[in-house]
Amino acid sequence: DAGVIQSPRHEVTEMGQEVTLRCKPISGHNSLFWYRQTMMRGLELLIYFNNNVPIDDSGMPEDRFSAKMPNASFSTLKIQPSEPRDSAVYFCASSPGTGYNSPLHFGNGTRLTVT
Amino acid sequence: GDSVTQMEGPVTLSEEAFLTINCTYTATGYPSLFWYVQYPGEGLQLLLKATKADDKGSNKGFEATYRKETTSFHLEKGSVQVSDSAVYFCALNYGGATNKLIFGTGTLLAVQP
Repeated sequence: DAGVIQSPRHEVTEMGQEVTLRCKPISGHNSLFWYRQTMMRGLELLIYFNNNVPIDDSGMPEDRFSAKMPNASFSTLKIQPSEPRDSAVYFCASSPGTGYNSPLHFGNGTRLTVT
Repeated sequence: GDSVTQMEGPVTLSEEAFLTINCTYTATGYPSLFWYVQYPGEGLQLLLKATKADDKGSNKGFEATYRKETTSFHLEKGSVQVSDSAVYFCALNYGGATNKLIFGTGTLLAVQP
């Protein structure tokens, strides 16, 4: 089991550029989550999917952020245009189902720096 | 709304010291409670969980008891090691049709040899 795979590990970009973060969940997991981690705000849930369908995107900060899950093995989080305040570590997590007996498995994160 | 409050860090201990990291929660229902651990440069990993009042979760020498009367889920370990140095997150969720975790802000633990 390779775990949740995120790419890239680090991304440095200039303000105004488009950024795409990628996630491959664990095979067989049907829930996927995108979190953002900053010193100021801690861990924030941005959006989560169940069976590839977005269930709750209330944490997406604004229209510049969008997420897709075209199939069970791939998801993207896009920021367009990016701003310095988007600098954070973005985590993807997957779980085998819903409910509290389905623990989340996190990837190692993408550290985004917007200059 | 539902929330989790953790003690602020960093917590600095010597090896073999006793550890307590406080966690309290506010919830409208009866959530499940979790502790996750994040080692440097990695994502979070589930450490332990408890799904109902008076349950005790335990793993790798860590323990936490779900206390409904005090709305708490404090993390304890009798003898910490340098390898326990990490950030610890308390979290809650309601399960059911969703697995949406609400995290505390995290507590950095630094164990010195």
